[in-house]
Amino acid sequence: EVQLVESGGGLVQPGGSLRLSCAASGFTFSDHYMDWVRQAPGKGLEWVGRIRNKANSYTTEYAASVKGRFTISRDDSKNSLYLQMNSLKIEDTAVYYCTRAAGTTWSTAMVDSWGQGTLVTVSS
Amino acid sequence: DIQLTQSPSFLSASVGDRVTITCRASQGISNYLAWYQQKPGKAPKLLIYAASTLQSGVPSRFGGSGSGTEFTLTISGLQPEDFTTYYCQQLNRYPLTFGGGTKVEI
Repeated sequence: EVQLVESGGGLVQPGGSLRLSCAASGFTFSDHYMDWVRQAPGKGLEWVGRIRNKANSYTTEYAASVKGRFTISRDDSKNSLYLQMNSLKIEDTAVYYCTRAAGTTWSTAMVDSWGQGTLVTVSS
Repeated sequence: DIQLTQSPSFLSASVGDRVTITCRASQGISNYLAWYQQKPGKAPKLLIYAASTLQSGVPSRFGGSGSGTEFTLTISGLQPEDFTTYYCQQLNRYPLTFGGGTKVEI
């Protein structure tokens, strides 16, 4: 069974930093692209970014709203995904989901597994 | 960025109804579209990918169609557990984007 478990959320002041982690199990983590998706309270889903697998050089993509402030990384030896968030803004307040992309082609790169989410609150 | 516009934002229906949700893309995305269902307080769940392929385990009352810029999610015979929120997502170009969501209410 695929399991994705996020940790590291909490309260942080504007301008601060936070690092989220995601522990993956139940599948061959190293094969998959991995995404972060967030959801502000009472709002819709927002894609944050993606990291590809080793075969695709671990390259990353980001939403414009976080580019230059957030960094996605992974450690395949630990089956772990990370989201380093710097220069946090109040509008970054959201539940952050660790997600798995089903495949590596455009037609199969949808998210097929989600973690339970971790809440990040940016407030003074 | 590719914008996805879902309509309607809210949909009132009854058990047993057939409902259709539309997702329009600001530019052509071939069939690189997925649909998700999200229940309150829970993570979303994949329903359909490649515009019309049903994810394993998803009931056959859910169906998807479309290509290019216009897509639809149809639920044939609404069940009580279907009254929740649905999102589309395009996978054609980065940044990936979601539609604004459609809440199906009784």
